Amino acid sequence: RKEVEQDPGPFNVPEGATVAFNCTYSNSASQSFFWYRQDCRKEPKLLMSVYSSGNEDGRFTAQLNRASQYISLLIRDSKLSDSATYLCVVNGGSTGGFKTIFGAGTRLFVKA
Amino acid sequence: TAGITQAPTSQILAAGRSMTLRCTQDMRHNAMYWYRQDLGLGLRLIHYSNTAGTTGKGEVPDGYSVSRANTDDFPLTLASAVPSQTSVYFCASSAEVGNTIYFGEGSWLTVV
Repeated sequence: RKEVEQDPGPFNVPEGATVAFNCTYSNSASQSFFWYRQDCRKEPKLLMSVYSSGNEDGRFTAQLNRASQYISLLIRDSKLSDSATYLCVVNGGSTGGFKTIFGAGTRLFVKA
Repeated sequence: TAGITQAPTSQILAAGRSMTLRCTQDMRHNAMYWYRQDLGLGLRLIHYSNTAGTTGKGEVPDGYSVSRANTDDFPLTLASAVPSQTSVYFCASSAEVGNTIYFGEGSWLTVV
């Protein structure tokens, strides 16, 4: 089992739709979590951190479920410009020291 | 703001040749990283450095070496390139290990 798993998609949604991605992680000692956005042929960029209490930034909502070991990203009122790959990132302790793991990404296409 | 600068942006390299990818950051971050990103495999850590003067091996270190003589620079060297090293390489940094990671724009390397 991969340490961080994401549904690769692609998710094809119309403009205005609500779409949600999940990301599961295997290390229960994981301490911090992030969502990154990556556009085609560009570098990943931080979208938002994921807090235990959940957090919202405009149309984006991130949540953490420690009991089930997953994080989620909800995008409301999708825009064409939301088309990208979304990477989840999990930071946590390991026997070899602190470890940052990136998921392989979920591709989103928003259509007019 | 410059952030992280990588060079070259792209390169075609003959198999067996050596190559150094340069990375400089101006954020005075302690931690720096080199990742490669391949389709379907996501970002994989090659080498990292927690602070100037120290380096460590990541998930896929074979065929690569790094040095961290000072805070700002973290070059990645391929001693004898092979076609399987064709990839996009991202240099990244964070204030400390476990903090938000910021990426350079990437170096696209093709080994023929």
